Amino acid sequence: ELKVEQNPLFLSMQEGKNYTIYCNYSTTSDRLYWYRQDPGKSLESLFVLLSNGAVKQEGRLMASLDTKARLSTLHITAAVHDLSATYFCAVGDYNNNDMRFGAGTRLTVKP
Amino acid sequence: DAGITQSPRHKVTETGTPVTLRCHQTENHRYMYWYRQDPGHGLRLIHYSYGVKDTDKGEVSDGYSVSRSKTEDFLLTLESATSSQTSVYFCAICISLSGDYGYTFGSGTRLTVV
Repeated sequence: ELKVEQNPLFLSMQEGKNYTIYCNYSTTSDRLYWYRQDPGKSLESLFVLLSNGAVKQEGRLMASLDTKARLSTLHITAAVHDLSATYFCAVGDYNNNDMRFGAGTRLTVKP
Repeated sequence: DAGITQSPRHKVTETGTPVTLRCHQTENHRYMYWYRQDPGHGLRLIHYSYGVKDTDKGEVSDGYSVSRSKTEDFLLTLESATSSQTSVYFCAICISLSGDYGYTFGSGTRLTVV
């Protein structure tokens, strides 16, 4: 059974600092998704990582995938308040053509 | 927006009553999904559909049924609602993304069972 572990679950950062969110998964998959969710809102797609070594960047966020280690990271550079949200990773589950989600990381960026 | 709407957006119902949530898409996507979101669990798959009248169970399907009689509509039914089914429910569709695929989510339905 595919399991996805995300850490940390809660992250409080100061503006301008860097940090990394980790997403580990238990079985083979080469499809990794990152989503952002603001309170009371739906999920917004951030990145889709499809192969080992894939790296994608959008603004202050950079995501990478290591399929051999079964690990993806979401790196935050010089955090700003607008990045405060909950971030989810999700791993492709070929059995169902769907995704298995991590529990989410609630990020708070303080001035 | 990928043309996916959920209704209702909010609902309060009593224990033991049946409840149906609707997911509607406008773009003829084959795969549709129902997830529930609870604190500490992320999103968990309830049921999914891979075509009209073709559905299958997900991780947390007990107490739920689904139907898909038309490509555009995917219905989630709680036959007899329980307090443990208080949750936020999201519908999703699988869409093509530059030769591969990703997922777009509806706005969610907040269901409270009292």
